[in-house]
Amino acid sequence: QVQLVQSGAEVKKPGASVKVSCKASGYTFTSYGISWVRQAPGQGLEWMGWISAYNGNTNYAQKLQGRVTMTTDTSTSTAYMELRSLRSDDTAVYYCARVPGLAVAEFDYWGQGTLVTVSS
Amino acid sequence: SYELTQPLSVSVALGQTARITCGGNNIGSKNVHWYQQKPGQAPVLVIYRDSNRPSGIPERFSGSNSGNTATLTISRAQAGDEADYYCQVWDSSTAVFGGGTKLTVL
Repeated sequence: QVQLVQSGAEVKKPGASVKVSCKASGYTFTSYGISWVRQAPGQGLEWMGWISAYNGNTNYAQKLQGRVTMTTDTSTSTAYMELRSLRSDDTAVYYCARVPGLAVAEFDYWGQGTLVTVSS
Repeated sequence: SYELTQPLSVSVALGQTARITCGGNNIGSKNVHWYQQKPGQAPVLVIYRDSNRPSGIPERFSGSNSGNTATLTISRAQAGDEADYYCQVWDSSTAVFGGGTKLTVL
């Protein structure tokens, strides 16, 4: 069965960086993309970007351009999301989600989420 | 940028039909996906591409999309359907979520 298992919770200071991992299993990793979505406490879902596991192409939300980098390691079927220059409003649960390769596709499987807390 | 508008909350009596709307400019020309999120859990896809149900999602969940409004319909609502529901589309290679609707089953 398809599973996306994310790394554990992180606590970071303002200005630091965080790197969250998302290990996929149960399907051919390179046949799908991975999107990252975050959710601040008590708030809605915010899309952060997408990466093709096939060729590494990326597309980031304009709001995060320059601060976020998404990568994949096809040898371990793992996707990564790094966010730099952290601020208090980056405190959120970060989710990875699988995306079929179509431009209008749904997020059909989600990771369990990783809480990132930014606090001095 | 493209915006999706959902009601903050919808209430439905147990066993009745709930309808959650998602408004957007000419949304009928886009593929709309719906997610259910229960407290402390990751979202779950319940409807994709307007009206398709993933395997394991009850037939009670259905979707439609036309004009400026997409609708998620939950028939014979159960207590276990209480959750936040989000619509989502793609616009210019950007994924856009609605603000979410809290469904309360009375």
